[in-house]
Amino acid sequence: RKEVEQDPGPFNVPEGATVAFNCTYSNSASQSFFWYRQDCRKEPKLLMSVYSSGNEDGRFTAQLNRASQYISLLIRDSKLSDSATYLCVAQGYNNNDMRFGAGTRLTVKP
Amino acid sequence: GAVVSQHPSRVICKSGTSVKIECRSLDFQATTMFWYRQFPKQSLMLMATSNEGSKATYEQGVEKDKFLINHASLTLSTLTVTSAHPEDSSFYICSATTPGSYNEQFFGPGTRLTVL
Repeated sequence: RKEVEQDPGPFNVPEGATVAFNCTYSNSASQSFFWYRQDCRKEPKLLMSVYSSGNEDGRFTAQLNRASQYISLLIRDSKLSDSATYLCVAQGYNNNDMRFGAGTRLTVKP
Repeated sequence: GAVVSQHPSRVICKSGTSVKIECRSLDFQATTMFWYRQFPKQSLMLMATSNEGSKATYEQGVEKDKFLINHASLTLSTLTVTSAHPEDSSFYICSATTPGSYNEQFFGPGTRLTVL
């Protein structure tokens, strides 16, 4: 079983749609959680951290459910520029303990 | 944000040759850098943690004699793929953390290695 699992997609949505991605992690000792965005053949870039209380950054909302070991990302009013692969990350106490999901691919169409 | 560069961005080599990839932190000192590998449509897999002035810490299953890591200064870490074979073809990405960034890793642009 993978440590971090995501639905690979692809998710194909029209502009303006709301789309949600889910992620589960297996290590209950994981401390920190993140969503990264990765464009094709590029490096990952931090989109947002995920907190237990849930957090929002503009059109993006992230939620964490520690009891279910589940993380989500909601994107509202999708833009063409949101097309990318979204990586879910769970991290232990140390920086060398980051576990990446395989990513969920999103394509936003006109 | 902090900037991390990698060189080269792409390399094509013959089987059996060695390839060196450089990772530099441009505007900060990185005591720790990380090397990842990503195969197509798969997740990033941590290969090793590179510590300035000491030996790298390798993840289970990663051959330290094949993937040589040197972190000679606070701004430079190198990964050398020795005697590369086609199965080593992958996207290699380094990252670094900055003092006070608390867990955020800044990634280099990656190096795409193709071994013929």
